[in-house]
Amino acid sequence: DTAVSQTPKYLVTQMGNDKSIKCEQNLGHDTMYWYKQDSKKFLKIMFSYNNKELIINETVPNRFSPKSPDKAHLNLHINSLELGDSAVYFCASSPTGGSNTIYFGEGSWLTVV
Amino acid sequence: AQSVAQPEDQVNVAEGNPLTVKCTYSVSGNPYLFWYVQYPNRGLQFLLKYITGDNLVKGSYGFEAEFNKSQTSFHLKKPSALVSDSALYFCAVGANTNAGKSTFGDGTTLTVKP
Repeated sequence: DTAVSQTPKYLVTQMGNDKSIKCEQNLGHDTMYWYKQDSKKFLKIMFSYNNKELIINETVPNRFSPKSPDKAHLNLHINSLELGDSAVYFCASSPTGGSNTIYFGEGSWLTVV
Repeated sequence: AQSVAQPEDQVNVAEGNPLTVKCTYSVSGNPYLFWYVQYPNRGLQFLLKYITGDNLVKGSYGFEAEFNKSQTSFHLKKPSALVSDSALYFCAVGANTNAGKSTFGDGTTLTVKP
């Protein structure tokens, strides 16, 4: 009955590889997000989708490509991985509107070697 | 543009003592204010929020926060800290438009010592 689930939880991969992280929410929310948490624990938004439409696209390398097949899913594909991509990536969801709580997944720990 | 500041990277308190984690904000218009907690190797969890109404907001695990409009603050408090409260705490301001983004502070690590 996990609200926001993302897979894999841990991912170790070599530089130059391509990898994907999948996310699903069963809360019926219209908005989904990808956040990146770096080694200093700072949290930065990467992308936001509302009803499958991209509404926030922060300054993120175009090696990162989100895809929302439906409003319950938001996947993140990363091409040509670099060492600096090592971080924790959080998927999240919320109802539309800033007064609503954001629900986070448990995170995907990506290590690029 | 909206912003959030958590002036303390780290807060240390003894178990049983009151704790305060500070947060100040800058927004145009009425703010939507949130506190989230992150335990080690976990995702962020919602603690409490202020949208409107009573300035004192009560949340999960005995935490509360007071909205102070004149000081643009939303400090998180608990009367008696537990060792299990040790975690990373984030203050956030909700988006002021449907297409906007929430803004998170840099986080404050709370350590409660026995």
